Amino acid sequence: AQSVTQLGSHVSVSEGALVLLRCNYSSSVPPYLFWYVQYPNQGLQLLLKYTTGATLVKGINGFEAEFKKSETSFHLTKPSAHMSDAAEYFCAVSGPFQGAQKLVFGQGTRLTINP
Amino acid sequence: NAGVTQTPKFRVLKTGQSMTLLCAQDMNHEYMYWYRQDPGMGLRLIHYSVGEGTTAKGEVPDGYNVSRLKKQNFLLGLESAAPSQTSVYFCASSWTSGRANTGELFFGEGSRLTVL
Repeated sequence: AQSVTQLGSHVSVSEGALVLLRCNYSSSVPPYLFWYVQYPNQGLQLLLKYTTGATLVKGINGFEAEFKKSETSFHLTKPSAHMSDAAEYFCAVSGPFQGAQKLVFGQGTRLTINP
Repeated sequence: NAGVTQTPKFRVLKTGQSMTLLCAQDMNHEYMYWYRQDPGMGLRLIHYSVGEGTTAKGEVPDGYNVSRLKKQNFLLGLESAAPSQTSVYFCASSWTSGRANTGELFFGEGSRLTVL
């Protein structure tokens, strides 16, 4: 069984500040990890993913995440927040040789950017 | 390129009424999914399909039915709507999974359903 916990349902940062969104997972198989972003009144879109290989992965819009097996974490970061980053972010987990239908989503973190 | 299109985008129903949500994708994806999104609960999988003519239950299938008569379309039906089914429904599609699984789902813009 797999599960995802996102710490903090709401995160607020100032424009230009560091963005850190936390995600911890539980998985009985080697995890595939994903971050999705949902802008207001839109569907979700893939921000970045980790499957195998390099543990630091870079995504769109300057975001990156690091897979830390020992901490069962996949936190999302961006060095400098922009107003356009305001959205809801979802962490998700599945496993190798599992279909995308096995994706388990976290409850989401709403990111607010203050001018 | 339309991607994944959902209709209708908004609907208000009375308890006991029925309705169908339509999802259409133009990317020739094999897999299609219906999710519901509720505040503080993320996305939960209702039903999915691994190909034309096939459907399978997800995490929260009760009260819903689906059909995949054509590869590009995936229908979600509510036979007798209940207030607990008030939610935002998302359709998604993906390439074949298994070894080719990249986990990337392509989502529609959502359908907001209110059941009174």
